[in-house]
Amino acid sequence: SYVLTQPPSVSVAPGQTARITCGGNNIGSKSVHWYQQKPGQAPVLVVYDDSDRPSGIPERFSGSNSGNTATLTISRVEAGDEADYYCQVWDSSSDHRRVFGGGTKLTVL
Amino acid sequence: EVQLLESGGGLVQPGGSLRLSCAASGFTFSSYAMSWVRQAPGKGLEWVSAISGSGGSTYYADSVKGRFTISRDNSKNTLYLQMNSLRAEDTAVYYCAKDRAGKGVVVADDAFDIWGQGTMVTVSS
Repeated sequence: SYVLTQPPSVSVAPGQTARITCGGNNIGSKSVHWYQQKPGQAPVLVVYDDSDRPSGIPERFSGSNSGNTATLTISRVEAGDEADYYCQVWDSSSDHRRVFGGGTKLTVL
Repeated sequence: EVQLLESGGGLVQPGGSLRLSCAASGFTFSSYAMSWVRQAPGKGLEWVSAISGSGGSTYYADSVKGRFTISRDNSKNTLYLQMNSLRAEDTAVYYCAKDRAGKGVVVADDAFDIWGQGTMVTVSS
């Protein structure tokens, strides 16, 4: 089965740039989606298809995907960005199985 | 406003059954594939099952195959998850989620653009 690897935690000061990685074998050939989840709340889609943003998501959120690593970049980080972030892809070796990374806790210092 | 509202969670004994519901509003329900995603306490997200817009195609994670059944009633704009032979490891918040692209079929590499608030299922004696 396909495995996505995320760092457990990332810390950044307000106003700086946070980069959250998602590693997987040849992940660059897949469409990667990113979700933000705040405590006690449902996940929210922040980036889809590697780098597209849903309406209402600030331009500060961007994504890239190449080789074995996809990256979610949050520019000018704000206190309200503190949350867990999950990457997600389709496991093409299976029958429509979707796979999530283990999640990354973003802490705003 | 596009909205999903789950219900039906609760405490159930190991080996028991439970049926979750997800009421949809604000979009043409039958045009979208839907999924269930769960999250065990303090853990990450796990995709559970998906169903096409017509209900004719269904897919399951290996961990629930043969025990859970996903279905939908497009006349009621409602998604269901029938859970049988429940185990302690099924304890989780269960979310329903809408596929972003309204193609009707389950597009496996699609994103989930709308999520419900979740319903808690606890399997314990």
